[in-house]
Amino acid sequence: IAGITQAPTSQILAAGRRMTLRCTQDMRHNAMYWYRQDLGLGLRLIHYSNTAGTTGKGEVPDGYSVSRANTDDFPLTLASAVPSQTSVYFCASSAGVLAGVLYSSPYNEQFFGPGTRLTVL
Amino acid sequence: ILNVEQSPQSLHVQEGDSTNFTCSFPSSNFYALHWYRWETAKSPEALFVMTLNGDEKKKGRISATLNTKEGYSYLYIKGSQPEDSATYLCALGNAGKSTFGDGTTLTVKP
Repeated sequence: IAGITQAPTSQILAAGRRMTLRCTQDMRHNAMYWYRQDLGLGLRLIHYSNTAGTTGKGEVPDGYSVSRANTDDFPLTLASAVPSQTSVYFCASSAGVLAGVLYSSPYNEQFFGPGTRLTVL
Repeated sequence: ILNVEQSPQSLHVQEGDSTNFTCSFPSSNFYALHWYRWETAKSPEALFVMTLNGDEKKKGRISATLNTKEGYSYLYIKGSQPEDSATYLCALGNAGKSTFGDGTTLTVKP
């Protein structure tokens, strides 16, 4: 693996089903993010994690959950998918800094995965 | 939630034209401003990170300036080429997360 990968590439899902989008990075970045991209709305942050074991809510967290058991993986789960969750989902990571606690540096660029196109019918 | 605005939303230019677009952001508690280039069917890729008032960064025909006191950054493309067609995103860096603008979509016609 080189960089950041996402799986699946695309998925069609029936409403009400549970779905987990996978994201893995091999850059040892401490910070990871999930965004959704909808036409005309750019990237909206769903959840983020500054370091393994911690997560935080972004702009649009409702209907999604995340976990960060280790540095490399940051799965996004839709517990019961709804059509409004039809979108393209991007995972990203960035290197952080240690200043008392490890946090995501505002100065470091984010590296994005290739995206997952999810359609909920 | 910080408000990051980009204008125009879209732009169509002819090959060879020079163009620019704007990213506006709150000027208080500023850390960093990032520009990303996002080609269709690909992922966003970083162009510049800017941190100091008056910063100017350049990469080939693309350059950017930063004014943290008034809260804006300009991205300039000199002599646009069809391969410059993409969505250009700016993002305000903050501890823990960044806030992205909605982007300016540039189409360069040959």
